[in-house]
Amino acid sequence: GAVVSQHPSRVICKSGTSVKIECRSLDFQATTMFWYRQFPKQSLMLMATSNEGSKATYEQGVEKDKFLINHASLTLSTLTVTSAHPEDSSFYICSAEDQTGEQFFGPGTRLTVL
Amino acid sequence: DAKTTQPPSMDCAEGRAANLPCNHSTISGNEYVYWYRQIHSQGPQYIIHGLKNNETNEMASLIITEDRKSSTLILPHATLRDTAVYYCIVRVNNAGNMLTFGGGTRLMVKP
Repeated sequence: GAVVSQHPSRVICKSGTSVKIECRSLDFQATTMFWYRQFPKQSLMLMATSNEGSKATYEQGVEKDKFLINHASLTLSTLTVTSAHPEDSSFYICSAEDQTGEQFFGPGTRLTVL
Repeated sequence: DAKTTQPPSMDCAEGRAANLPCNHSTISGNEYVYWYRQIHSQGPQYIIHGLKNNETNEMASLIITEDRKSSTLILPHATLRDTAVYYCIVRVNNAGNMLTFGGGTRLMVKP
């Protein structure tokens, strides 16, 4: 089956620093990737839709200048959390869509901001 | 996308069938029913999806009612490793169409 990886799996950073999370589709090309955020004991919430070669589409309430998304190739999308604060601590999950429209999820990245 | 309603939690004995219900009374004619599950601290895992016919794969069976307003995911022989949150999602199967996650059902498989 299709495989999506994320790196890093876990990151701890100081408040005010920026953190980059990578999402890769390993065995297929993904024109569209999605970024989700999940707080403890809650469901996944879509943050943004990332399209290769164009600007990401952000969901209401998600700051585009704080959560920078770059989808430079058909196999890689990155999410950069800029000037991270403790309230940004969360589980960040990406999904990649194959050419049939099916979505496959990465294993997630746990971000802890001190 | 239409919303879904699932019980927040269920228990199942190991080795028995787990039947997870989902209501999607406002589903549109072109929306599929998808099931994913999420084991603690992992990304969601695709299980199965269907439009109106019942579907079966190596993981589970999906039973969709004739009026398509509800469905049931069946894990025929639940194991401890099936303990997870199960999400029922309805979605138009078009490229670029997001998945909207509800609360899901937390299935606890007990020995």
